[in-house]
Amino acid sequence: GAVVSQHPSWVICKSGTSVKIECRSLDFQATTMFWYRQFPKQSLMLMATSNEGSKATYEQGVEKDKFLINHASLTLSTLTVTSAHPEDSSFYICSARAQGYNEQFFGPGTRLTVL
Amino acid sequence: AQSVTQPDIHITVSEGASLELRCNYSYGATPYLFWYVQSPGQGLQLLLKYFSGDTLVQGIKGFEAEFKRSQSSFNLRKPSVHWSDAAEYFCAVAHDRGSTLGRLYFGRGTQLTVWP
Repeated sequence: GAVVSQHPSWVICKSGTSVKIECRSLDFQATTMFWYRQFPKQSLMLMATSNEGSKATYEQGVEKDKFLINHASLTLSTLTVTSAHPEDSSFYICSARAQGYNEQFFGPGTRLTVL
Repeated sequence: AQSVTQPDIHITVSEGASLELRCNYSYGATPYLFWYVQSPGQGLQLLLKYFSGDTLVQGIKGFEAEFKRSQSSFNLRKPSVHWSDAAEYFCAVAHDRGSTLGRLYFGRGTQLTVWP
């Protein structure tokens, strides 16, 4: 149980285009989902926290108009990188937590490369 | 503010040797503590966690960790390392404070290399 999937697992796009990454909780209802960004050889940095049906809460320094997060259902959250640029290239990881639990279950990550 | 320190960026051990990865945290109340492992290009897998109770916790793959409140530490140990343990290890702390319930703060990670 407690499986989280991400799609796609990797994506290459041209500069200026938008990319959508999906995060799904497969066997539980995720009231909260988290989006992280990880640069090579570095730790995970929390980008935003999203609660189902509410607007996401972004961490300081994260542009909410560039990284659009939608958490419309209890099993799906999406991260859209708008007008992507090479500096947005990174490994994006989502995690999901069920209500009442203080444990997050992580997805396998999405490797984004912007040319 | 919460913080997690992993003082060792890279550790190399021989297969079969014992292992200890250090983790210190800074948090005013009793934290929830986690150790995760990440293989290259993969997400995070939970090794073990401490919420309360026995301060020595057992995890998967033969790992254990001990919570020492007096030292604000949660070091990860394994008595005999296998080559497949080579990976990046992250210590993390979470707290319970209303709207920020479940937010994790990660250490910078320790890269483990295992020599045959």
